[in-house]
Amino acid sequence: EAQVTQNPRYLITVTGKKLTVTCSQNMNHEYMSWYRQDPGLGLRQIYYSMNVEVTDKGDVPEGYKVSRKEKRNFPLILESPSPNQTSLYFCASTPTGDTEAFFGQGTRLTVV
Amino acid sequence: DAKTTQPTSMDCAEGRAANLPCNHSTISGNEYVYWYRQIHSQGPQYIIHGLKNNETNEMASLIITEDRKSSTLILPHATLRDTAVYYCIVRLRNFNKFYFGSGTKLNVKP
Repeated sequence: EAQVTQNPRYLITVTGKKLTVTCSQNMNHEYMSWYRQDPGLGLRQIYYSMNVEVTDKGDVPEGYKVSRKEKRNFPLILESPSPNQTSLYFCASTPTGDTEAFFGQGTRLTVV
Repeated sequence: DAKTTQPTSMDCAEGRAANLPCNHSTISGNEYVYWYRQIHSQGPQYIIHGLKNNETNEMASLIITEDRKSSTLILPHATLRDTAVYYCIVRLRNFNKFYFGSGTKLNVKP
């Protein structure tokens, strides 16, 4: 089954403790992205990747890092999480061409 | 600045057509219009997309005005399961960047 898998689905952590949210897709898509969703703000793009070793900032990249060492994986790294990064996070993958993006089921992160 | 503007919420009677409007007055010739929906806090689900022609698939129809400054998503026979937040999105062609708006909460009522 074609899917985008995020882990963990839920995470509560403390300020400053480094964490990684993993994202994996099994569709051999070139494009992958990370979004955060906050009440009243819709989804905002954090980082995106056009291919292996090619990443770029989205609209809200501060406080986040990403890497794309292999096509299927696109982890989101929070080196020093802060409470304002409490949010619902989505990973998405897209094939080349003008087709739809496939979204993961989300990771709800709480930073206390 | 937001690339799309949508009403905050709309109601629709079950079995009737739901028409969801979206303004994207600054859209460029290289940008597509996409529609997604999100049920509760699940991952957004793709519905339909188009560049300038009207499009139809098994889920919905997309009507884009001739000047491309606005569009309407039509769910022909809304059901209770169509209750969701619907997002109108602009995407630069061949580019991995989607601009989400705030969405429209569609309430389908019995």
